[in-house]
Amino acid sequence: DSGVTQTPKHLITATGQRVTLRCSPRSGDLSVYWYQQSLDQGLQFLIQYYNGEERAKGNILERFSAQQFPDLHSELNLSSLELGDSALYFCASSVEPGAGEQYFGPGTRLTVT
Amino acid sequence: AQSVTQPDIHITVSEGASLELRCNYSYGATPYLFWYVQSPGQGLQLLLKYFSGDTLVQGIKGFEAEFKRSQSSFNLRKPSVHWSDAAEYFCALLGGGYQKVTFGTGTKLQVIP
Repeated sequence: DSGVTQTPKHLITATGQRVTLRCSPRSGDLSVYWYQQSLDQGLQFLIQYYNGEERAKGNILERFSAQQFPDLHSELNLSSLELGDSALYFCASSVEPGAGEQYFGPGTRLTVT
Repeated sequence: AQSVTQPDIHITVSEGASLELRCNYSYGATPYLFWYVQSPGQGLQLLLKYFSGDTLVQGIKGFEAEFKRSQSSFNLRKPSVHWSDAAEYFCALLGGGYQKVTFGTGTKLQVIP
Protein backbone atom coordinates (compact mmCIF):
# COMPACT_ATOMS: atom_id res chain seq x y z
CA ASP A 1 0.00 0.00 0.00
CA SER A 2 1.60 3.23 -1.22
CA GLY A 3 -0.57 5.53 0.88
CA VAL A 4 -2.03 7.17 -2.23
CA THR A 5 -5.75 6.64 -2.66
CA GLN A 6 -7.81 7.02 -5.80
CA THR A 7 -11.53 6.91 -6.31
CA PRO A 8 -13.42 5.47 -7.98
CA LYS A 9 -11.69 2.21 -8.82
CA HIS A 10 -13.75 1.69 -11.96
CA LEU A 11 -15.84 4.07 -14.01
CA ILE A 12 -17.99 3.28 -17.02
CA THR A 13 -19.53 6.14 -18.92
CA ALA A 14 -20.72 7.12 -22.37
CA THR A 15 -19.10 9.23 -25.04
CA GLY A 16 -19.63 12.94 -24.60
CA GLN A 17 -19.93 12.71 -20.84
CA ARG A 18 -17.79 14.30 -18.15
CA VAL A 19 -16.19 12.52 -15.19
CA THR A 20 -14.08 13.48 -12.20
CA LEU A 21 -11.33 11.31 -10.80
CA ARG A 22 -10.11 11.92 -7.29
CA CYS A 23 -6.74 11.41 -5.65
CA SER A 24 -5.49 11.79 -2.11
CA PRO A 25 -1.69 11.90 -1.83
CA ARG A 26 0.42 10.26 0.84
CA SER A 27 0.45 12.10 4.10
CA GLY A 28 3.08 14.84 3.89
CA ASP A 29 3.43 14.78 0.11
CA LEU A 30 2.84 18.14 -1.52
CA SER A 31 3.17 17.12 -5.14
CA VAL A 32 0.59 15.24 -7.16
CA TYR A 33 1.02 13.82 -10.65
CA TRP A 34 -1.55 12.41 -13.05
CA TYR A 35 -0.77 9.75 -15.65
CA GLN A 36 -2.76 7.97 -18.31
CA GLN A 37 -1.91 4.38 -19.19
CA SER A 38 -3.36 2.81 -22.30
CA LEU A 39 -2.34 -0.09 -24.49
CA ASP A 40 -1.47 2.03 -27.49
CA GLN A 41 0.08 5.06 -25.75
CA GLY A 42 1.78 3.45 -22.79
CA LEU A 43 2.25 5.48 -19.62
CA GLN A 44 1.84 9.18 -20.36
CA PHE A 45 2.46 12.00 -17.93
CA LEU A 46 -0.48 14.40 -17.92
CA ILE A 47 0.06 17.09 -15.33
CA GLN A 48 1.70 17.87 -12.02
CA TYR A 49 0.66 20.06 -9.11
CA TYR A 50 2.71 21.21 -6.18
CA ASN A 51 1.05 22.69 -3.13
CA GLY A 52 -1.96 23.82 -5.12
CA GLU A 53 -0.11 25.25 -8.11
CA GLU A 54 0.31 23.70 -11.53
CA ARG A 55 3.97 22.79 -11.88
CA ALA A 56 4.43 20.87 -15.10
CA LYS A 57 2.29 19.84 -18.01
CA GLY A 58 2.66 16.81 -20.19
CA ASN A 59 0.45 15.36 -22.89
CA ILE A 60 -2.80 16.57 -21.42
CA LEU A 61 -5.67 17.23 -23.79
CA GLU A 62 -7.57 20.50 -23.63
CA ARG A 63 -10.69 18.50 -22.72
CA PHE A 64 -8.93 17.45 -19.54
CA SER A 65 -8.22 19.65 -16.54
CA ALA A 66 -7.01 19.16 -13.03
CA GLN A 67 -6.65 20.98 -9.79
CA GLN A 68 -5.15 20.51 -6.37
CA PHE A 69 -7.11 21.72 -3.38
CA PRO A 70 -5.89 23.30 -0.11
CA ASP A 71 -6.10 19.92 1.62
CA LEU A 72 -3.76 18.66 -1.16
CA HIS A 73 -6.17 16.21 -2.71
CA SER A 74 -6.44 16.48 -6.45
CA GLU A 75 -9.12 15.97 -9.05
CA LEU A 76 -8.76 15.20 -12.73
CA ASN A 77 -11.72 16.27 -14.84
CA LEU A 78 -12.26 14.61 -18.19
CA SER A 79 -14.94 16.08 -20.44
CA SER A 80 -16.45 15.40 -23.86
CA LEU A 81 -15.24 11.86 -23.44
CA GLU A 82 -14.25 9.82 -26.46
CA LEU A 83 -13.75 6.09 -26.85
CA GLY A 84 -10.01 6.68 -26.98
CA ASP A 85 -10.03 8.11 -23.48
CA SER A 86 -10.63 4.63 -22.09
CA ALA A 87 -7.52 3.94 -20.01
CA LEU A 88 -6.11 3.52 -16.55
CA TYR A 89 -5.55 6.86 -14.84
CA PHE A 90 -2.93 6.91 -12.13
CA CYS A 91 -2.24 9.48 -9.54
CA ALA A 92 1.16 9.64 -7.85
CA SER A 93 2.57 11.83 -5.13
CA SER A 94 5.96 12.92 -3.89
CA VAL A 95 7.39 15.14 -1.24
CA GLU A 96 9.37 17.40 -3.54
CA PRO A 97 8.08 18.89 -6.79
CA GLY A 98 10.97 17.59 -8.83
CA ALA A 99 11.09 14.10 -7.45
CA GLY A 100 11.28 11.06 -9.62
CA GLU A 101 10.58 8.99 -6.55
CA GLN A 102 6.85 8.93 -6.79
CA TYR A 103 4.29 6.84 -4.98
CA PHE A 104 1.51 5.60 -7.19
CA GLY A 105 -2.09 4.98 -6.36
CA PRO A 106 -3.94 1.87 -7.54
CA GLY A 107 -5.49 3.73 -10.48
CA THR A 108 -8.95 4.39 -11.85
CA ARG A 109 -10.00 2.31 -14.82
CA LEU A 110 -12.14 4.42 -17.12
CA THR A 111 -14.21 2.76 -19.80
CA VAL A 112 -15.96 4.96 -22.32
CA THR A 113 -18.71 3.21 -24.29
CA ALA B 1 14.08 16.49 -25.55
CA GLN B 2 14.30 13.55 -23.23
CA SER B 3 13.39 9.99 -24.00
CA VAL B 4 13.60 6.51 -22.58
CA THR B 5 13.80 3.37 -24.68
CA GLN B 6 13.13 -0.13 -23.47
CA PRO B 7 13.92 -2.26 -26.49
CA ASP B 8 12.40 -5.48 -25.18
CA ILE B 9 8.61 -5.50 -25.07
CA HIS B 10 8.41 -8.99 -23.64
CA ILE B 11 10.97 -11.26 -21.97
CA THR B 12 10.57 -14.83 -20.74
CA VAL B 13 12.99 -16.36 -18.27
CA SER B 14 13.03 -19.56 -16.26
CA GLU B 15 12.65 -19.38 -12.52
CA GLY B 16 16.10 -19.24 -10.93
CA ALA B 17 17.74 -17.82 -14.04
CA SER B 18 19.38 -14.43 -14.15
CA LEU B 19 17.61 -11.42 -15.60
CA GLU B 20 18.69 -8.26 -17.36
CA LEU B 21 16.19 -5.68 -18.60
CA ARG B 22 17.55 -3.01 -20.88
CA CYS B 23 16.96 0.71 -20.67
CA ASN B 24 18.53 3.42 -22.81
CA TYR B 25 17.94 7.10 -22.31
CA SER B 26 18.48 10.36 -24.10
CA TYR B 27 18.97 13.50 -22.08
CA GLY B 28 21.28 16.46 -22.37
CA ALA B 29 22.38 16.60 -18.76
CA THR B 30 22.95 14.26 -15.87
CA PRO B 31 19.79 12.23 -15.57
CA TYR B 32 17.98 10.96 -12.57
CA LEU B 33 16.91 7.41 -13.43
CA PHE B 34 14.44 5.02 -11.93
CA TRP B 35 13.02 1.56 -12.33
CA TYR B 36 9.43 0.86 -11.42
CA VAL B 37 7.50 -2.41 -11.37
CA GLN B 38 3.80 -2.84 -12.06
CA SER B 39 2.03 -6.04 -11.10
CA PRO B 40 -1.23 -6.82 -12.90
CA GLY B 41 -4.03 -4.52 -11.77
CA GLN B 42 -1.72 -2.53 -9.54
CA GLY B 43 -0.06 0.84 -9.55
CA LEU B 44 3.65 1.29 -10.08
CA GLN B 45 6.14 0.63 -7.31
CA LEU B 46 9.62 2.10 -7.19
CA LEU B 47 12.35 -0.55 -7.33
CA LEU B 48 15.42 1.66 -7.29
CA LYS B 49 16.79 5.03 -8.28
CA TYR B 50 20.02 6.61 -9.44
CA PHE B 51 20.83 10.22 -8.67
CA SER B 52 24.61 10.38 -8.53
CA GLY B 53 27.61 8.65 -7.01
CA ASP B 54 28.04 4.90 -7.19
CA THR B 55 26.87 3.75 -10.59
CA LEU B 56 25.67 0.40 -9.27
CA VAL B 57 22.51 0.88 -7.24
CA GLN B 58 20.70 -1.65 -5.15
CA GLY B 59 16.95 -1.77 -4.89
CA ILE B 60 14.20 -3.73 -3.28
CA LYS B 61 13.36 -7.37 -4.00
CA GLY B 62 16.98 -8.19 -4.85
CA PHE B 63 17.18 -5.97 -7.93
CA GLU B 64 20.11 -3.84 -8.94
CA ALA B 65 20.85 -1.49 -11.83
CA GLU B 66 24.00 -0.09 -13.33
CA PHE B 67 24.27 3.40 -14.77
CA LYS B 68 26.64 3.59 -17.74
CA ARG B 69 27.00 7.12 -18.99
CA SER B 70 29.10 6.11 -22.01
CA GLN B 71 26.31 3.82 -23.21
CA SER B 72 23.39 6.00 -22.01
CA SER B 73 22.05 2.91 -20.30
CA PHE B 74 20.54 1.96 -16.99
CA ASN B 75 19.94 -1.79 -17.15
CA LEU B 76 18.10 -3.65 -14.43
CA ARG B 77 19.45 -6.99 -13.19
CA LYS B 78 18.54 -9.76 -10.84
CA PRO B 79 20.75 -12.81 -10.29
CA SER B 80 17.93 -15.30 -9.69
CA VAL B 81 14.36 -14.65 -10.75
CA HIS B 82 11.38 -15.78 -8.70
CA TRP B 83 7.92 -16.52 -10.09
CA SER B 84 6.61 -13.52 -8.16
CA ASP B 85 8.82 -11.23 -10.27
CA ALA B 86 6.48 -11.68 -13.22
CA ALA B 87 5.24 -8.15 -13.88
CA GLU B 88 5.83 -5.19 -16.14
CA TYR B 89 8.94 -3.11 -15.57
CA PHE B 90 9.29 0.54 -16.45
CA CYS B 91 12.44 2.59 -16.72
CA ALA B 92 11.97 6.31 -16.09
CA LEU B 93 14.00 9.49 -16.40
CA LEU B 94 13.54 12.70 -14.47
CA GLY B 95 14.47 15.67 -16.58
CA GLY B 96 12.98 18.90 -17.87
CA GLY B 97 14.70 20.89 -15.15
CA TYR B 98 13.87 18.02 -12.84
CA GLN B 99 10.18 18.59 -13.27
CA LYS B 100 9.15 16.05 -15.85
CA VAL B 101 9.29 12.27 -15.64
CA THR B 102 9.41 10.28 -18.85
CA PHE B 103 8.64 6.59 -18.73
CA GLY B 104 9.75 3.93 -21.16
CA THR B 105 7.19 1.71 -22.84
CA GLY B 106 7.76 -1.08 -20.38
CA THR B 107 9.03 -4.65 -20.54
CA LYS B 108 6.69 -7.48 -19.61
CA LEU B 109 8.49 -10.24 -17.76
CA GLN B 110 7.14 -13.76 -17.83
CA VAL B 111 8.67 -16.34 -15.51
CA ILE B 112 8.32 -20.00 -16.39
CA PRO B 113 8.88 -22.91 -14.00
